[in-house]
Amino acid sequence: DQQVKQNSPSLSVQEGRISILNCDYTNSMFDYFLWYKKYPAEGPTFLISISSIKDKNEDGRFTVFLNKSAKHLSLHIVPSQPGDSAVYFCAAVSGGSNYKLTFGKGTLLTVNP
Amino acid sequence: ETGVTQTPRHLVMGMTNKKSLKCEQHLGHNAMYWYKQSAKKPLELMFVYNFKEQTENNSVPSRFSPECPNSSHLFLHLHTLQPEDSALYLCASSQGPNQPQHFGDGTRLSIL
Repeated sequence: DQQVKQNSPSLSVQEGRISILNCDYTNSMFDYFLWYKKYPAEGPTFLISISSIKDKNEDGRFTVFLNKSAKHLSLHIVPSQPGDSAVYFCAAVSGGSNYKLTFGKGTLLTVNP
Repeated sequence: ETGVTQTPRHLVMGMTNKKSLKCEQHLGHNAMYWYKQSAKKPLELMFVYNFKEQTENNSVPSRFSPECPNSSHLFLHLHTLQPEDSALYLCASSQGPNQPQHFGDGTRLSIL
């Protein structure tokens, strides 16, 4: 059973608008969450993370929101640029000295000029 | 340039062959990882090494044999693989637990 779910396989957005990528999780032990971006023929690149003690973390155009009660997080990209077109993966880690990342299947974002 | 280099980028092998995947990280990290990504599936963790010691084996078949001679190098030795083992194999490293992992570009493996 998937513990990290990205229910939208794809998302298409106009350049300059906001992109919102969603992620749901089922394991209440997860306490650290990450977003990765992946271009074709490249490995995933770390984007931004958030600890469960926060509900928001911002880095430039990227903001991650965490709603622990709903077991939901989202990545906002504002403004979206064509170069943001990639597959975005949500990942989670459970507590303690844990090395294991549990990934979602990813969402393909296409930003149209 | 991600700081994590994987070779080869592509590998085609028969089921009876023996081959090895190599990963090297230049980030000074202490932990290294092997992941498998099959089509339409999430990335699956295979092995974790911390300071050269294996800390996790995620129920991986013995036809996959990892080796970590030092904190900068990680190998995945392959022997008698099956067609369902065809996938993208990704290496990653991190400074420690609960830290972002930095990935290489992967080896695309095809088993004939």
